[in-house]
Amino acid sequence: NAGVTQTPKFRVLKTGQSMTLLCAQDMNHEYMYWYRQDPGMGLRLIHYSVGEGTTAKGEVPDGYNVSRLKKQNFLLGLESAAPSQTSVYFCASSLLEGTDTQYFGPGTRLTVL
Amino acid sequence: SQQGEEDPQALSIQEGENATMNCSYKTSINNLQWYRQNSGRGLVHLILIRSNEREKHSGRLRVTLDTSKKSSSLLITASRAADTASYFCATDGYSTLTFGKGTMLLVSP
Repeated sequence: NAGVTQTPKFRVLKTGQSMTLLCAQDMNHEYMYWYRQDPGMGLRLIHYSVGEGTTAKGEVPDGYNVSRLKKQNFLLGLESAAPSQTSVYFCASSLLEGTDTQYFGPGTRLTVL
Repeated sequence: SQQGEEDPQALSIQEGENATMNCSYKTSINNLQWYRQNSGRGLVHLILIRSNEREKHSGRLRVTLDTSKKSSSLLITASRAADTASYFCATDGYSTLTFGKGTMLLVSP
């Protein structure tokens, strides 16, 4: 089992460009999450999904969109990147409810110039 | 908003010593979890303690929970250089987890 994988691992964008981060899990988990991690800020939840076809906003959703068309995939989109979105992005999944143990991917380091 | 807050922010010890880090939170919880993050990697789940439990062990890890004080502690006994990492507590909110800012642990050989 690969667990949770994220693509790409690194990316540099210019302000205003768009991109999509892909998260995939092979554990048949219902719940999936996108977090961002900034120095001194810990992890902050961007969006999450409680099942295929569903999405919900987290703590810091502005500037991001998500989609969960397939149970195993959770996509995070930046329509018009801003320097404030420079961060490390982590995807996670959990089997049951959102307060269950979460399994994390390796992260995507995004720099917006 | 952050629910759990770890203390201290950073901790430096020698191999073989014990490391204790604390987590305080503000509202009632059903469970509290501890995660480890090695530099440049994703978080890894260490242990979950439920609100009706006071203490839990896993290998060299010992977690305590005091719901009256809204606090938890993570003790790592006989630390090793490989324990160098950031440690986060996570509390359960309405439908998701809320992570603290973490404690950076450095274990020197």
